Amino acid sequence: AQSVTQPDIHITVSEGASLELRCNYSYGATPYLFWYVQSPGQGLQLLLKYFSGDTLVQGIKGFEAEFKRSQSSFNLRKPSVHWSDAAEYFCAVGHTGGFKTIFGAGTRLFVKA
Amino acid sequence: DTEVTQTPKHLVMGMTNKKSLKCEQHMGHRAMYWYKQKAKKPPELMFVYSYEKLSINESVPSRFSPECPNSSLLNLHLHALQPEDSALYLCASSQGGRGSGKNIQYFGAGTRLSVL
Repeated sequence: AQSVTQPDIHITVSEGASLELRCNYSYGATPYLFWYVQSPGQGLQLLLKYFSGDTLVQGIKGFEAEFKRSQSSFNLRKPSVHWSDAAEYFCAVGHTGGFKTIFGAGTRLFVKA
Repeated sequence: DTEVTQTPKHLVMGMTNKKSLKCEQHMGHRAMYWYKQKAKKPPELMFVYSYEKLSINESVPSRFSPECPNSSLLNLHLHALQPEDSALYLCASSQGGRGSGKNIQYFGAGTRLSVL
């Protein structure tokens, strides 16, 4: 069965420190992978996506993610976190056969001064 | 323009009320979605419309009734809701068509619904 696992419910980093959010997926074929960010009371905003090709993808707001097929992972990274990055982050897999998107449980990022 | 507009932003309703949520997009997308999101949880898919036809209903109770009057507009009609239906309701749209799993979904800011 298809699934997305985000092992960390919440993470706290200091402003200016680097960030890595983990995502593991289970999917039979080549997955379509997404990272979304959600600020409190807001909708989801796409940070980046992976469909094929270069396994290191760049997104908005200085984020990047690396697709590692051998580890079934798609971890999100940022070299220097800003206080405004505090939010909920969702990793997701797009279903190649249809409209359904499978979301991970989310990781809440806290940024301390 | 990648905007999906949802109205109202907040809604409080009693269990006997009838209300509607509205979603609009002008990106030419042919797939539109309703999600329900409870606090500290990921969005849960409720309905998908493709080319104005209902494509997916995730066994949602009949007190939720979706409608897609045209390719730009999506409504969610609410009737006789329960307090446990209180949540953030998100609308999304995507290009639609073949290989839809590849489609990027653009989300609205949501309607915060409280059922008393």
